[in-house]
Amino acid sequence: QAVVTQEPSLTVSPGGTVTLTCGSSTGAVTSGHYPYWFQQKPGQAPRTLIYDTSNKHSWTPARFSGSLLGGRAALTLSGAQSEDEAEYYCMLSYSGPWVFGGGTKLTVL
Amino acid sequence: EVQLVESGGGLVKPGGSLRLSCAASAFTFSNYAMNWVRQAPGRGLEWVSSITRSSSDIYYADSVKGRFTISRDNAKSSLYLQMNSLRAEDTAVYYCVLLSGPKLWGQGTLVTVSP
Repeated sequence: QAVVTQEPSLTVSPGGTVTLTCGSSTGAVTSGHYPYWFQQKPGQAPRTLIYDTSNKHSWTPARFSGSLLGGRAALTLSGAQSEDEAEYYCMLSYSGPWVFGGGTKLTVL
Repeated sequence: EVQLVESGGGLVKPGGSLRLSCAASAFTFSNYAMNWVRQAPGRGLEWVSSITRSSSDIYYADSVKGRFTISRDNAKSSLYLQMNSLRAEDTAVYYCVLLSGPKLWGQGTLVTVSP
């Protein structure tokens, strides 16, 4: 089974920009992996932020965007706010099965 | 309100069985593939299983293959996860997840496997 990797933790200043990435042990991440990004705050269920690489949910703030960057999926947060402090998970499709990354703990400080 | 509501979690002994249910409401359940995802205490998310809308294709994580069975009843707008031969490492919150359409997560149901 493939392994999906994420930065364990990142810190961003309020109003700053940060990029979280998601890599695959099988090679470059492509649109065919249908990358998803989920946000989870303590004590809450996750919620979907980005699907199919770059598509936003209706509740996804405009400051979040998804892309492919250097063979990895990327989630960019531009103009970080305190409420963006959370765990972020990516997930990739492998032609049927899905695999989550280990998550990135984002601190806004 | 569009939502997914899980039920059926609880405390079970190692080797035991449990059946989780997920009730969908306010959307056309039969139009979408469905998924189970779990999260062990203090750990990350783990995809468990997926089922296509007609149940024609089913996938399992290696960690549960041969022990868990996913199924659905489109007439009842419900998703199920039959869990057999449970182990301590299956202890987790189990989420019912819709990845397409409304893209919803349920609130989760806790399964604890302990003597």
